Amino acid sequence: GAGVSQSPRYKVAKRGQDVALRCDPISGHVSLFWYQQALGQGPEFLTYFQNEAQLDKSGLPSDRFFAERPEGSVSTLKIQRTQQEDSAVYLCASRWGNSGNTIYFGEGSWLTVV
Amino acid sequence: AQTVTQSQPEMSVQEAETVTLSCTYDTSESDYYLFWYKQPPSRQMILVIRQEAYKQQNATENRFSVNFQKAAKSFSLKISDSQLGDAAMYFCAYRSAFKVDSNYQLIWGAGTKLIIKP
Repeated sequence: GAGVSQSPRYKVAKRGQDVALRCDPISGHVSLFWYQQALGQGPEFLTYFQNEAQLDKSGLPSDRFFAERPEGSVSTLKIQRTQQEDSAVYLCASRWGNSGNTIYFGEGSWLTVV
Repeated sequence: AQTVTQSQPEMSVQEAETVTLSCTYDTSESDYYLFWYKQPPSRQMILVIRQEAYKQQNATENRFSVNFQKAAKSFSLKISDSQLGDAAMYFCAYRSAFKVDSNYQLIWGAGTKLIIKP
């Protein structure tokens, strides 16, 4: 596609509910990143994929967070048993290769846990 | 570990005037990339400008230019002829150039909110 696409754009979840956030990267982009951005703060790294391989998940805040990219294109970030502190914008980004190429971001999925 | 600091939580400028946003960083690496991203209320991060540390020449993109001072570890963004559409959060970010698995992620500053006065 023309850009990184994320869905849903807005999600309100009840505390304890599971949510799944989808990211469609730019076609052909090998690298995919997930970031979490709380209100008034910069993004915080969550996880990184190179094709289907999850090379780094060190930023995932707890074992309630899980990400996958089974076919090396679309990625899903799943949050189980959501808590209020999970409320944030979840940004997905992709890059053509690794190292020097520019990272392109989607518009984010706004998650509010009530 | 690398850090990025943006010391100005908010800046305002009159339309058509020039404004400079500050960014400093700390690293022991010699080769890296620096970025300025713009985030409007839609929350999409839009790349404004990028600088490779090995290049001495300051990057320029139309009305946007940087003042890259490697020794001082400073990377400020100058916006000339400010327009209402420039109003947004601006984030400075750092990334290592080394191909080590842990060094490909962006490290972000806290952001500066830019207000444009008509």
